[in-house]
Amino acid sequence: AQSVTQPDARVTVSEGASLQLRCKYSYFGTPYLFWYVQYPRQGLQLLLKYYPGDPVVQGVNGFEAEFSKSNSSFHLRKASVHWSDWAVYFCAVSMSWYNQGKLIFGQGTKLSIKP
Amino acid sequence: EAAVTQSPRNKVAVTGGKVTLSCNQTNNHNNMYWYRQDTGHGLRLIHYSYGAGSTEKGDIPDGYKASRPSQENFSLILELATPSQTSVYFCASGPGLGGTETLYFGSGTRLTVL
Repeated sequence: AQSVTQPDARVTVSEGASLQLRCKYSYFGTPYLFWYVQYPRQGLQLLLKYYPGDPVVQGVNGFEAEFSKSNSSFHLRKASVHWSDWAVYFCAVSMSWYNQGKLIFGQGTKLSIKP
Repeated sequence: EAAVTQSPRNKVAVTGGKVTLSCNQTNNHNNMYWYRQDTGHGLRLIHYSYGAGSTEKGDIPDGYKASRPSQENFSLILELATPSQTSVYFCASGPGLGGTETLYFGSGTRLTVL
C-alpha cells in the first residue's frame, strides 16, 4: 500500500544551522511528492513539489528537496534555518496525476529552533 | 491570494448529536477536500469534490457525509457524532487542472465530541 513515513517526530536545530528533514515513501508508479508546512494555528501551505524531472526541487524561503528513486526518499533541506521556520513539516505523495489533491501525508516533523 | 475560510473555528458537540462543518472558498477552484489531522497520523482524506453537486469518498469516509451545493461551499456532516471524531478538520481547495494541483488550506476547525 502507498505510504509516507517521516521517521523524526521532532527535530531541534540551532538558528543558522543547516537542516534536513527525512521523508520515505512507498508508491507503485510515478510519485508526485510534496512538502507542506504548518505554522502555529494556521492551515498548511505548500513549500515545494516534485514532478518527474530534475531530482532537486527548489521551494520557497530557501528550502529545497531531493528526490531519490533508489532510496524512495524525498528529503527536505535548508542551508541556514531562521527562527521563523519553527513549524510542523509534512511530506505527502499524490495517488493520482489527475487529482493531486488526493494526498497521503506523513505523520509530520515538528521543527524547533534554538536561539 | 487564495482564500479558504472554515467555520466554526472551535466546536464542542455531544455524542450522538449532529455536527456540520462549513468551508467557503473564493478561489473559484473546482476541487475541494476535507482532511482530518490527528497526532501520529498526519492528515487523512475524508471526502472530496470535483465541483458543485459532486462528492467522492476519500480514505476514511465512515461516519461522515459531505455536501457541495455550490462552487464556493463544501460542508462536512457528522450525523451521529462520536468521541473518536474528536480531531482538527481542514478544508482545502485546488484548481483541479491535473498535474499542477496546489492545495490551499483553511485554518482548521477543532472539534471536540464529549
